[in-house]
Amino acid sequence: DGGITQSPKYLFRKEGQNVTLSCEQNLNHDAMYWYRQDPGQGLRLIYYSQIVNDFQKGDIAEGYSVSREKKESFPLTVTSAQKNPTAFYLCASSNNEAQYFGPGTRLLVL
Amino acid sequence: GESVGLHLPTLSVQEGDNSIINCAYSNSASDYFIWYKQESGKGPQFIIDIRSNMDKRQGQRVTVLLNKTVKHLSLQIAATQPGDSAVYFCADGRGNTPLVFGKGTRLSVIA
Repeated sequence: DGGITQSPKYLFRKEGQNVTLSCEQNLNHDAMYWYRQDPGQGLRLIYYSQIVNDFQKGDIAEGYSVSREKKESFPLTVTSAQKNPTAFYLCASSNNEAQYFGPGTRLLVL
Repeated sequence: GESVGLHLPTLSVQEGDNSIINCAYSNSASDYFIWYKQESGKGPQFIIDIRSNMDKRQGQRVTVLLNKTVKHLSLQIAATQPGDSAVYFCADGRGNTPLVFGKGTRLSVIA
């Protein structure tokens, strides 16, 4: 069953804690993306990677970090430097055309 | 800078009527456009795309129209059903660069 998976579906973060959101795809797509969505808002780009071992900052990269060691995987770490992390996080992948999205991870702060 | 925006934040349509959702873009270099549907609590779902060398493209119950002269595209949904209730996003793509998304239009279908 091909597609993009994100885990966990819900994630709780304590003050000062780093948390990592998982994104995996088996579509053999070269490019992967992370977006943040706040209530009633559109999607804002955090980071993207067009090829393994390479990634670029998006519009709101501060307080986040990523890695792209494998083509299939693009994990996002929300660091303690991100002061307002509560949001819906969406991962996507593409082969230069339409992006296909995962189901999202909702991050909440305790 | 470039932007992709939607004319209306909300749209209410009677069940069975046709829906039209509009989108404007500002970058004349844009050559690829996509419409997504996002249901509450889920990731956006690809609906239909269109390249700048086309004016119209049809899918199942959906049609996308592109007017490059006024930098406008629209999504038409025929015979709107309750399951069509969602937020619809247009996005602008150019080659290998990340998509630029509008804020979305919330479509509500009245039974």
